[in-house]
Parts: sequence; C-alpha cells; structure tokens
Amino acid sequence: AQKVTQAQTEISVVEKEDVTLDCVYETRDTTYYLFWYKQPPSGELVFLIRRNSFDEQNEISGRYSWNFQKSTSSFNFTITASQVVDSAVYFCALRTQAGTALIFGKGTTLSVSS
Amino acid sequence: DTGVSQNPRHKITKRGQNVTFRCDPISEHNRLYWYRQTLGQGPEFLTYFQNEAQLEKSRLLSDRFSAERPKGSFSTLEIQRTEQGDSAMYLCASSRDGYEQYFGPGTRLTVT
Repeated sequence: AQKVTQAQTEISVVEKEDVTLDCVYETRDTTYYLFWYKQPPSGELVFLIRRNSFDEQNEISGRYSWNFQKSTSSFNFTITASQVVDSAVYFCALRTQAGTALIFGKGTTLSVSS
Repeated sequence: DTGVSQNPRHKITKRGQNVTFRCDPISEHNRLYWYRQTLGQGPEFLTYFQNEAQLEKSRLLSDRFSAERPKGSFSTLEIQRTEQGDSAMYLCASSRDGYEQYFGPGTRLTVT
C-alpha cells in the first residue's frame, strides 16, 4: 500500500526563520514520483516540485530546497528566511509509476508571523 | 496558459438535491482528475479521464456520483441525492503528461 505521512500538523515561526517540513512515504514500487504542493488561504493547490525516485539529487529554488533520501523514505522541504507570504498548508504527495492518482499526506499548516 | 477553472466556486444545497460541478482544464491537457478534500485532510482521488474515457474510479465514488468528459474537453461531476457527508471541497486537476497535476480553485459544497 502507498502512504504519505506528514507528522507535523502545525508549525509557527517568525519571519526570517528557516523551517523544515517533513514528509515520509511508503511504497513497494521501485519507480515512483514525489511532489510538494502549497495551498494558500485562497484554497488553490499550487504545484511546487516533482522528484523522481531514480533522481536523489537535492534541489534548490530560491528560498526553497528539497532533500530526498531514499534510505529513510523521506522528502523534506526547507524554506530559508521564511516570509509571511509563505503561510499556507503544504502537502507532500506520492504517485507510483503504475498509478494515476496522487496520494496526499494530511498536510502541514505553516504560520509565519512578522 | 490559462489555469484550470471550476464553477461554481461555492454551492449550498439541501440534502436530497442533485448538484453538478464543472471543470475546464488547461487547454491541450488530455488528462483530467477529480479529487475531494475535507477539512484538515489532503485531497483524495475520485476519478480520472484520459481524453473522453473515464479510466479509473476510486471506491470513494459511490453510485450517487457520476462524472463525464464529453469530447475530451471540460468535465462535469454530478452528485445525486446529496447527503451531509458530501460536504467538501471538490478539486479538479489536469495534466499534459500524467506527471505534474495542476489544480483548479475548487468548488466548495455545503449540504444543509
């Protein structure tokens, strides 16, 4: 069975702090895809990144970085120097090669105060 | 590209009524997905279309739910005889290649 666990329900930080959102996944498939989405208060899910199981390179995009470790089945997301506009619910998701649907975790609510 | 659009954005209905939602995917995206999201949860998959063919349905999609995608463009999701448990955000997503899925703003359904 496939499963995504985001153990942190809510995180609160002050602007300019760094914050890491954890994601642990379960799958028996050898080929799979991992995603992060952002859901701001407006409600629309915004795609952030896709990572393939065969590509363990970490990725950096501006203040965002992602750490993929197959050995621990984790795909963590770090925001550096957080800003108020980063306040949102962040979802980690998994899709197997044979599957079509995204399997989402329950999300982590990030609150950044000024 | 114009994003995924969904209408209506909000729908309030009485229990037992039928409702229909519409999704317009990003143009040239031949894959379309419906998800449902309840408060405090991640989206859960309902059904998937490739062009006009409905290729996959979740066990969450009871027989009161039906989805169509005529001509492989827009899609509709109908719920018959609504129940209070149907209250949720209904999300539509589209994809060009089956990898990244781009979501619309959702339709929030409240069943009273």
